[in-house]
Amino acid sequence: GENVEQHPSTLSVQEGDSAVIKCTYSDSASNYFPWYKQELGKGPQLIIDIRSNVGEKKDQRIAVTLNKTAKHFSLHITETQPEDSAVYFCAAPSHISNFGNEKLTFGTGTRLTIIP
Amino acid sequence: GAVVSQHPSWVICKSGTSVKIECRSLDFQATTMFWYRQFPKQSLMLMATSNEGSKATYEQGVEKDKFLINHASLTLSTLTVTSAHPEDSSFYICSAPTGGSLDTEAFFGQGTRLTVV
Repeated sequence: GENVEQHPSTLSVQEGDSAVIKCTYSDSASNYFPWYKQELGKGPQLIIDIRSNVGEKKDQRIAVTLNKTAKHFSLHITETQPEDSAVYFCAAPSHISNFGNEKLTFGTGTRLTIIP
Repeated sequence: GAVVSQHPSWVICKSGTSVKIECRSLDFQATTMFWYRQFPKQSLMLMATSNEGSKATYEQGVEKDKFLINHASLTLSTLTVTSAHPEDSSFYICSAPTGGSLDTEAFFGQGTRLTVV
């Protein structure tokens, strides 16, 4: 099955600076890599994802990069704001279920704190 | 993005009783839904895959007789925690992929905080 490692586990960043969270995965067949943001007491919210046919994707202040050769992908948040404070999870497909939807294996999470 | 609704958002029950959690896809049909459990300050651990019209698939170490899953329609899956005990207290979250391709986006419900006293 898929093994996903995420670091750092905690990250404190001054407001306005950039934050970078990195993940590695083990299954070279994986082709879809989402990032989720989870606020306290809520379910994870999909914030950006990338598929293996591209190396980078950007959505306003958020970007994700993918290096398939090295099997790692990263989340970049620029111009951080206090509302970016949350726990962020990366994920990668573990294997194909019988119904064609891949199960996601999650990283261990990064608690991001934006210091005003 | 697509909307997945989970109910209730929190529940407190007595030890030995059963609790049912509902997961609905509001604006799309989901042949598959996933149920996760999350302990404080930990990641999401997949418990089972709920398949519409057939039996759920459970992950290793998850008791299928304790965590009953029913996926009777394309928009509703339920998780029933039977004979709940304090160690079952956790945050339960469902998710549903919006399509059947291998790189389909998955959206999560709001989660249900279960406290067994």
